Amino acid sequence: DTGVSQNPRHKITKRGQNVTFRCDPISEHNRLYWYRQTLGQGPEFLTYFQNEAQLEKSRLLSDRFSAERPKGSFSTLEIQRTEQGDSAMYLCASSSGGSADSNQPQHFGDGTRLSIL
Amino acid sequence: DAKTTQPNSMESNEEEPVHLPCNHSTISGTDYIHWYRQLPSQGPEYVIHGLTSNVNNRMASLAIAEDRKSSTLILHRATLRDAAVYYCILRLHSGAGSYQLTFGKGTKLSVIP
Repeated sequence: DTGVSQNPRHKITKRGQNVTFRCDPISEHNRLYWYRQTLGQGPEFLTYFQNEAQLEKSRLLSDRFSAERPKGSFSTLEIQRTEQGDSAMYLCASSSGGSADSNQPQHFGDGTRLSIL
Repeated sequence: DAKTTQPNSMESNEEEPVHLPCNHSTISGTDYIHWYRQLPSQGPEYVIHGLTSNVNNRMASLAIAEDRKSSTLILHRATLRDAAVYYCILRLHSGAGSYQLTFGKGTKLSVIP
């Protein structure tokens, strides 16, 4: 178990630029989640994949955000035309489990911290 | 969605037990009680979960009230490494919305040497 890996750990960019983050889940996990966390708050759910299918998106995921998991393994989260309010920690998590039981623990990476200048 | 209420912060002396409370008076019969913690500069880490019965694992114990409207996470001997924000979360067992974790602000635990 090598854990969930996220890259880069930090990203600084100018407002209006596009950014892409990568998440490598634990290899046997079929579920993958993205969350966003701002300072002093708990993480907020963004989206969820089961294998390569994106099954749910939060209302927080505006049309500037897109997430993919093309082969059911790693995932990318892209933010287009970044805004100041996008500054946050972006966390990825993965878990195992079928549709009948959603209580498998989620294993989180250490996140990508995005700073918008 | 059923919500949880936790104290903003708590302090504990090192090597003493810690009882972290969580109120969830609107819990439904199919909600599981999960606890995660987040150490500084790290992602959240699963601690424990349960439905009705008390649960123990290598990290902690979870005591669930008989009416399930509250629960307590018990760290048997606090260490400096236990200083973190602890989140109490309700999860549906299955179905729509069961896959996401809904975090509140949690309880920030400080451990005093």
